[in-house]
Amino acid sequence: DAKTTQPNSMESNEEEPVHLPCNHSTISGTDYIHWYRQLPSQGPEYVIHGLTSNVNNRMASLAIAEDRKSSTLILHRATLRDAAVYYCILRRNTGNQFYFGTGTSLTVIP
Amino acid sequence: DSGVTQTPKHLITATGQRVTLRCSPRSGDLSVYWYQQSLDQGLQFLIQYYNGEERAKGNILERFSAQQFPDLHSELNLSSLELGDSALYFCASSAYSGSANTEAFFGQGTRLTVV
Repeated sequence: DAKTTQPNSMESNEEEPVHLPCNHSTISGTDYIHWYRQLPSQGPEYVIHGLTSNVNNRMASLAIAEDRKSSTLILHRATLRDAAVYYCILRRNTGNQFYFGTGTSLTVIP
Repeated sequence: DSGVTQTPKHLITATGQRVTLRCSPRSGDLSVYWYQQSLDQGLQFLIQYYNGEERAKGNILERFSAQQFPDLHSELNLSSLELGDSALYFCASSAYSGSANTEAFFGQGTRLTVV
């Protein structure tokens, strides 16, 4: 399974944008980049995913580098409810299991 | 609400015992995944089923087993329990096994405490 590398922790002020980076230098051509987050005492929650092009949804935006070796999850205005561990995951069409790394713990400062 | 239901929410049992955790996937989802989350190990993939058949195994111990039934619900059986098996166990479901272009939905987990 391809590996991803994320910073252990990040902080953001409330109502400011947050850019959460992820490196995945061993990504293959058929790997999708998925982001999930886990709030305290809850199960992981889907945030967004993409293959090559940037993606937007109601929760966030996903910016994918042209060589696909890195990506950035963008929360446009952080709220206290966005404090969570964010996981960047590569998912293959063959099997498509999810292998979680250690993620980035996001702290939102009021 | 993700649509994935796990029961029970909490379970306390003694070492050496056997327990069964249950997962009902979202309506229409054929794939079910099981994960274990302990404090020092993070989220570990255990096993995946698709439409009743085992598709992939991760770090699942031989004392653990799972199955997916014709109505697509799944059960994770943990036997000869040890203190180290205390963890949160999550189930996830997704629509289709053949493509990674789908999201997965997680349940709220079962917290197992072995005493």
